[in-house]
Amino acid sequence: EAGVAQSPRYKIIEKRQSVAFWCNPISGHATLYWYQQILGQGPKLLIQFQNNGVVDDSQLPKDRFSAERLKGVDSTLKIQPAKLEDSAVYLCASSKAQGPGVTQYFGPGTRLLVL
Amino acid sequence: QKEVEQNSGPLSVPEGAIASLNCTYSDRVSQSFFWYRQYSGKSPELIMSIYSNGDKEDGRFTAQLNKASQYVSLLIRDSQPSDSATYLCAGSSGSNYKLTFGKGTLLTVNP
Repeated sequence: EAGVAQSPRYKIIEKRQSVAFWCNPISGHATLYWYQQILGQGPKLLIQFQNNGVVDDSQLPKDRFSAERLKGVDSTLKIQPAKLEDSAVYLCASSKAQGPGVTQYFGPGTRLLVL
Repeated sequence: QKEVEQNSGPLSVPEGAIASLNCTYSDRVSQSFFWYRQYSGKSPELIMSIYSNGDKEDGRFTAQLNKASQYVSLLIRDSQPSDSATYLCAGSSGSNYKLTFGKGTLLTVNP
């Protein structure tokens, strides 16, 4: 079974530029998550989708971040405009459903450096 | 109190020893708990989950949950150099079972 795929793996941009990340979850997984992991910290949930609907985006900086999951499969996360503090690893994860004890499987992440 | 707190370490143990990793949590995260391992430059991978009081064993790993003390731990027996990684504790909360992670504890197992 193929894992969660993400691209690009690395991205370097200048502040105020825009950037987009793509995620393809494990086949059949209804729930998709985007996390931000700043160096030395644990992942922080940005947005959670159940199929193509948003179930939690309470920690998403909506003035600059946006995400969508068209057709309930692939997802994109966009930052526009980027700030220096957005430098982090952006992790996509997926799970079969949402519930107690459900395992989230993480993709390899996209490392973003904002100069 | 932060929702999930871990002793930040780093923790260093000799090969073959027992490594003990600890985590406390607030009332806001109280459903299920997870231990993830993250090698440097890699993504987190699940080691164990636990949601009932007591111990849960899987090979060399034992997770312990004490809901009265709001405490969850991970014991690694017969530690190996390949266990050297950052260990992330996470708790779930809310109707969407949102995960909140601690900052992680860096474990080094010395040969």
